[in-house]
Amino acid sequence: AQSVTQPDIHITVSEGASLELRCNYSYGATPYLFWYVQSPGQGLQLLLKYFSGDTLVQGIKGFEAEFKRSQSSFNLRKPSVHWSDAAEYFCAVGGGSYIPTFGRGTSLIVHP
Amino acid sequence: NAGVTQTPKFQVLKTGQSMTLQCAQDMNHEYMSWYRQDPGMGLRLIHYSVGAGITDQGEVPNGYNVSRSTTEDFPLRLLSAAPSQTSVYFCASSDLQSEQYFGPGTRLTVT
Repeated sequence: AQSVTQPDIHITVSEGASLELRCNYSYGATPYLFWYVQSPGQGLQLLLKYFSGDTLVQGIKGFEAEFKRSQSSFNLRKPSVHWSDAAEYFCAVGGGSYIPTFGRGTSLIVHP
Repeated sequence: NAGVTQTPKFQVLKTGQSMTLQCAQDMNHEYMSWYRQDPGMGLRLIHYSVGAGITDQGEVPNGYNVSRSTTEDFPLRLLSAAPSQTSVYFCASSDLQSEQYFGPGTRLTVT
């Protein structure tokens, strides 16, 4: 079975500050990992994905994530947050079943 | 390509009514799934399909039915709506072990 935990329900940062959103997964083999973003009232958009290879993955909108097998983590980072980054962020893990499993999401609040 | 489309965007039902949420994709994906999104609960999988004629239950299947007669379409049926089914519903499609493409969602209110 596969599962994913996003420990932070809300994160508040100031515009221009760096960001790290945490994601921990549980899966016995090498997982497929995803980060999605959901703006208010919208559907989900893929930010980045990890399947294999380089453990540092670059995504859209200046986001990156690092797969750390020893820590079962896939944290999302951005060096400088913009007000437009305020949204809900979802981590998902796949590999153990046909459909990925999603975390409960982290709501990002950006202060000016 | 339209991607994944969902209709309607909004719906209000009375308790006990039935309805079908439509989902279609034009990417020839084998896998399709339905999720519901509630505050603080993330996305919970209702039903999914791994190909035409093949469906299976997800985490929260009670009160919902699905069928998959074609690769493109994956409708979700509410048999007898209950207030607990008030939610935002998302349909998604994908290839095996690849990212999912999501529709814009259907916001359902059951009174």
